[in-house]
Amino acid sequence: DTEVTQTPKHLVMGMTNKKSLKCEQHMGHRAMYWYKQKAKKPPELMFVYSYEKLSINESVPSRFSPECPNSSLLNLHLHALQPEDSALYLCASSRETNQPQHFGDGTRLSIL
Amino acid sequence: QKEVEQDPGPLSVPEGAIVSLNCTYSNSAFQYFMWYRQYSRKGPELLMYTYSSGNKEDGRFTAQVDKSSKYISLFIRDSQPSDSATYLCAMSGANQGGKLIFGQGTELSVKP
Repeated sequence: DTEVTQTPKHLVMGMTNKKSLKCEQHMGHRAMYWYKQKAKKPPELMFVYSYEKLSINESVPSRFSPECPNSSLLNLHLHALQPEDSALYLCASSRETNQPQHFGDGTRLSIL
Repeated sequence: QKEVEQDPGPLSVPEGAIVSLNCTYSNSAFQYFMWYRQYSRKGPELLMYTYSSGNKEDGRFTAQVDKSSKYISLFIRDSQPSDSATYLCAMSGANQGGKLIFGQGTELSVKP
C-alpha cells in the first residue's frame, strides 16, 4: 500500500458526465501533483500545488480543473472529457517541490 | 535531444543475474536523481534517490550518479522474478518548480 491514497481506482464515464478524482496524503508534504500516464509511457505532469496554491499548469485543457481544499487533499474535477483522455491519472506528493515525489496507485479512467 | 535518455528495452535476464539500468541527461542543474519501479496497474514506487552525486546502496539495489559524465545507473544484484517491472529514472532541479523529468522507462523481465 502506498502513502498516497487515490479514489476511485477505476472510473468509466461518458463524455457529458462530471466526475471528480480524489487524492489524500498524511505525510505532511506541502507539494502535491497530478500526472497523466498513457500505456508504456512515463507520467506527464499536469498540475503542481505548493502550499495549497497552484504553481504550475502544464497547459492542460480546461475540462480538467484541479482543487486543493487543504494541505492533505487534492481533487481533479472532470467535465466533458474526450476519448483521448482515457489514461491512468496519478497523484503524487513531496515535502517541497524540488524533492523526491511519492505516487499513489492512480485512477484508471475510461471515457466512452 | 531529450533532456533524459533511457533505453526502453525490453530487457530479459535469468534469475540471479546482475541487472544494470542506465540514464543519461543533458541538464547540469539537476540535483535529485530518482529511480522508480512500476508494476503493471500500479503507480510508480520510489525505489531510491540520490542528492547530487555519489553512490547509494539499499539491499540488492545500488544507485550511482556520475555528474561529470551526466550518467546515472541502477544495479540490481541477485535479480528475482519479483523484480520484473518497468524502471523509470527521473530527475529534478531547484528551479523547475517540482517538475520531474522522466526517462522513457526500461521494461525488465527476470525469468525463473
